[in-house]
Amino acid sequence: EVQLVQSGAEVKKPGESLKISCKGSGFTFDNYWIGWVRQMPGKGLEWMANIYVGDSDTRYSPSFRGQVTISADRSIATAYLQWSSLKASDTAIYYCVRDRTSGLDYWGQGTLVTVSS
Amino acid sequence: QSVLTQPPSVSGAPGQRVTISCTGSSSNIGAGYEVHWYQQLPGTAPKLLIYSNNNRPSGVPDRFSGSKSGTSASLAITGLRAEDEADYYCQSYDSTLSGSRVFGGGTKLTVL
Repeated sequence: EVQLVQSGAEVKKPGESLKISCKGSGFTFDNYWIGWVRQMPGKGLEWMANIYVGDSDTRYSPSFRGQVTISADRSIATAYLQWSSLKASDTAIYYCVRDRTSGLDYWGQGTLVTVSS
Repeated sequence: QSVLTQPPSVSGAPGQRVTISCTGSSSNIGAGYEVHWYQQLPGTAPKLLIYSNNNRPSGVPDRFSGSKSGTSASLAITGLRAEDEADYYCQSYDSTLSGSRVFGGGTKLTVL
């Protein structure tokens, strides 16, 4: 069974750094693109970035380039999304997805990130 | 402002048919890129509902169907049921945005 299991909710202060994770199982993690999607409170879905785990090729939405960093560790089938300096406007649910040209076919359960002073 | 445009809300009575439109442009849907649809039930992660314009993943009822023409796509739901009440999002690819996937703003379906 394909699963993407994300790390737990985080509460951070503005200016702090953060790295959230997404562990894949039930498929060959190396052979897929893994992406991240943001959903701000009460708002729609926004595609942020993806990474081809096999060679760490990355692509970013222009809206998120320079704001976050996507990475992956093949050895533990885990993808990451990180911030160096959080802002209140980063408060959102972040979903990891298995990202294919035929759609985002599997989704993690979501990680709620709250940034508040 | 989303790259793909959806109506904010649609509604229908149980048993009825509803459609949700998704309008793009010549750099995304009109360029031939495929459209996918997602269903997000309240408080849950989205789920792939229709892929590659008109294909249903295993387990999705045939009450759900997708179509695409020109710069637009549509999701149709027939035999509306209370459990279909959810947010629906279309998604495609845009050639002007550095290889980005793009979403519609989402449509809230209310079953009356």
